[in-house]
Amino acid sequence: DAGITQSPRYKITETGRQVTLMCHQTWSHSYMFWYRQDLGHGLRLIYYSAAADITDKGEVPDGYVVSRSKTENFPLTLESATRSQTSVYFCASSESGPSSAWEQYFGPGTRLTVT
Amino acid sequence: GNSVTQMEGPVTLSEEAFLTINCTYTATGYPSLFWYVQYPGEGLQLLLKATKADDKGSNKGFEATYRKETTSFHLEKGSVQVSDSAVYFCALRLTGGGNKLTFGTGTQLKVEL
Repeated sequence: DAGITQSPRYKITETGRQVTLMCHQTWSHSYMFWYRQDLGHGLRLIYYSAAADITDKGEVPDGYVVSRSKTENFPLTLESATRSQTSVYFCASSESGPSSAWEQYFGPGTRLTVT
Repeated sequence: GNSVTQMEGPVTLSEEAFLTINCTYTATGYPSLFWYVQYPGEGLQLLLKATKADDKGSNKGFEATYRKETTSFHLEKGSVQVSDSAVYFCALRLTGGGNKLTFGTGTQLKVEL
């Protein structure tokens, strides 16, 4: 399917477990992003990537790890999940270049609950 | 630092009412400004955008004008519908900022018959 997809859509895990959220886009966009959405905070950037093998921290990176070996995939790993990481996670992608206003396209989200 | 401030929600309106959702920003440079909309259970999607001062973005009957003098980008619609019920996010992107967006906290809109 064309577009940007996330998996799983829902996940329940226990404190201390490692969990990986997957993100895949079919547009070959250069940029990819991970956000978390929490009530009262809007969306906060966790990590982003400008291209394969190039990643950088966002506003709230602690406790998360990312990789980007292929342009189309950008997995987010919680190495040891904590209750404070219970949230809805959104992946997004974007083209780059001077002619676009760099619209970000969002996936449907993953609702993660850490018990 | 850079930030976006939106009015608190929820905003509850009757169908066909006029909508204004306020958005102001603080930025060190000259940002591009965006409104995104999130329908229940979905991801965000771009509603409209403006890339320089005095630009007006518009889409689906919604409008917002980039006001540099008041650092604002208020969202308006003349006649809302039940289908407009969603959460609306104002966001900014700095030129040369690596395409990162800074979002406001979102404003929930509920439109009733």
